Amino acid sequence: AQSVTQLGSHVSVSEGALVLLRCNYSSSVPPYLFWYVQYPNQGLQLLLKYTTGATLVKGINGFEAEFKKSETSFHLTKPSAHMSDAAEYFCAVSVSGGGGNKLTFGTGTQLKVEL
Amino acid sequence: EPEVTQTPSHQVTQMGQEVILRCVPISNHLYFYWYRQILGQKVEFLVSFYNNEISEKSEIFDDQFSVERPDGSNFTLKIRSTKLEDSAMYFCASYTDNTGELFFGEGSRLTVL
Repeated sequence: AQSVTQLGSHVSVSEGALVLLRCNYSSSVPPYLFWYVQYPNQGLQLLLKYTTGATLVKGINGFEAEFKKSETSFHLTKPSAHMSDAAEYFCAVSVSGGGGNKLTFGTGTQLKVEL
Repeated sequence: EPEVTQTPSHQVTQMGQEVILRCVPISNHLYFYWYRQILGQKVEFLVSFYNNEISEKSEIFDDQFSVERPDGSNFTLKIRSTKLEDSAMYFCASYTDNTGELFFGEGSRLTVL
């Protein structure tokens, strides 16, 4: 069974500072990894995903994440935070390919951006 | 851009009442899911559905829950007799290919009083 651990339920950064949200996963088979963002009172929006190939993946809104198999990590970064980035971020894992897949989510990290 | 739509966006019900949450998945998708998120907690898998039957369900998905695809477009989640602890945001999702990417709806917030 797969699982996801997100370190830090709350992260606060200054506007313009680096954003780093941590995600470690556990999976017995090659994982597919995802970051979703949830703005207040809204649904889940896909930021980026890793399936196969290049381990550094770029997503929307300037975010990127790097799959590091040796560290079982998929940390989310953004070079310069913007006020509009304030939201909750969820890391998720699914087993590779096939039908009937399900996502297993982490507990989420609330990102606060301060002036 | 195709999207998953859910209705209602918010429903308030009395404990013990039946509730049906509706979802219209993306039209060419074949796999459908329900997830829930209790306020302040993580998103939890409830059930997956493929080829007109449940393919997997979590321990949360007990006999009070059921899913149905009554026609070619709708995918519903029924809670037979709601409990206070069923209060949550319920998300529908769908996908069709092997990338594992799920497309989520905006959610239906259920409040049980």
